[in-house]
Amino acid sequence: DTAVSQTPKYLVTQMGNDKSIKCEQNLGHDTMYWYKQDSKKFLKIMFSYNNKELIINETVPNRFSPKSPDKAHLNLHINSLELGDSAVYFCASSSLAGSVIIYEQYFGPGTRLTVT
Amino acid sequence: DQQVKQNSPSLSVQEGRISILNCDYTNSMFDYFLWYKKYPAEGPTFLISISSIKDKNEDGRFTVFLNKSAKHLSLHIVPSQPGDSAVYFCAASAYKGSQGNLIFGKGTKLSVKP
Repeated sequence: DTAVSQTPKYLVTQMGNDKSIKCEQNLGHDTMYWYKQDSKKFLKIMFSYNNKELIINETVPNRFSPKSPDKAHLNLHINSLELGDSAVYFCASSSLAGSVIIYEQYFGPGTRLTVT
Repeated sequence: DQQVKQNSPSLSVQEGRISILNCDYTNSMFDYFLWYKKYPAEGPTFLISISSIKDKNEDGRFTVFLNKSAKHLSLHIVPSQPGDSAVYFCAASAYKGSQGNLIFGKGTKLSVKP
């Protein structure tokens, strides 16, 4: 059973399009994250979200928006895609509340987005 | 401004020997540190972590050392195996107010030669 899954694994699209990447975790975690790994291989936090709070990295353009239909899912919507959005996007989860706190984050396999 | 630095982009070690990966940080608010291992085309995999109240944590062949005064941590792998060849990321977090967001270093590519 995959703990954190993402779809699609690869996404090729043209500038100006709107696209979504889905993320699901079956670990029972309460907090989910989106990270971006750019061409320089830096992994940078974009969003963190639990049922109480969304924290947005101030450098993330508002064309990017997370949507959470329930605790197990955090999807990433991207509007008006630009060439610079090409990167690998990783979803992750952890458990920061409740009787068992798991600080470590568990990552999905990544989605390679290519904007042409 | 890089808050977490891994100054060695690559490291090559002979099988059976010790691998030492280093990481420095600048933010004194960090209170939890983690090491992740990443294979190509896969997501980072959690390896080992350490709280700022400790100076050492060991898990099998992997040991992480934390020197808070020097703002430095290291990952020791003994003995190194060819399957350990991967990119290793150091990460840090200041949980209060950050919801556990991790700040990553740029990674060190470890090659273990048979």
